[in-house]
Amino acid sequence: AQRVTQPEKLLSVFKGAPVELKCNYSYSGSPELFWYVQYSRQRLQLLLRHISRESIKGFTADLNKGETSFHLKKPFAQEEDSAMYYCALRGLGGSNYKLTFGKGTLLTVNP
Amino acid sequence: DAGITQSPRHKVTETGTPVTLRCHQTENHRYMYWYRQDPGHGLRLIHYSYGVKDTDKGEVSDGYSVSRSKTEDFLLTLESATSSQTSVYFCAISDRTANTEAFFGQGTRLTVV
Repeated sequence: AQRVTQPEKLLSVFKGAPVELKCNYSYSGSPELFWYVQYSRQRLQLLLRHISRESIKGFTADLNKGETSFHLKKPFAQEEDSAMYYCALRGLGGSNYKLTFGKGTLLTVNP
Repeated sequence: DAGITQSPRHKVTETGTPVTLRCHQTENHRYMYWYRQDPGHGLRLIHYSYGVKDTDKGEVSDGYSVSRSKTEDFLLTLESATSSQTSVYFCAISDRTANTEAFFGQGTRLTVV
């Protein structure tokens, strides 16, 4: 079974403050991990994937296999970062290409 | 934007009636997914497909069925709609390439009264 846990439903920070959105996963194998973002009830769009180790809009995420975590971080939050963030896991192999999401964290960046 | 469209975008239906939502893609992607999005629950997988006529259940499949008779279309059917199925439904598509992203439709807002 695969599971994604985002412990914080809501996160509120001030502009310029650091932000960390937590994600923990459960999967027996090497999963693919992603962060998706949804602005104002629009469609979800990819923010980051663990394999590329890139920084998008100032966000980074590091896969920690020992802690089974994939936390999303940004050193200086901006008001336009306010959105719903979802951590996602995709299992691998045959028909098991299931894409599972966490419950999401609503980030609010206050001026 | 990836070629993925959902229809209808909005629907109000009565309890007990059948409802079918359509997801159409022009990307020739192998994998297609149906999710429902509810406050406090995030995105929950209903069913997914890994090829024509190949489907599998997600975590909240009760009360829903799906069909995929051709690559481009993935249909979600509520056989007898209930008020608990009032939700926003999202379709997603994905290729088989490792670590490729999933592309989402714009969602269907379904209200069961």
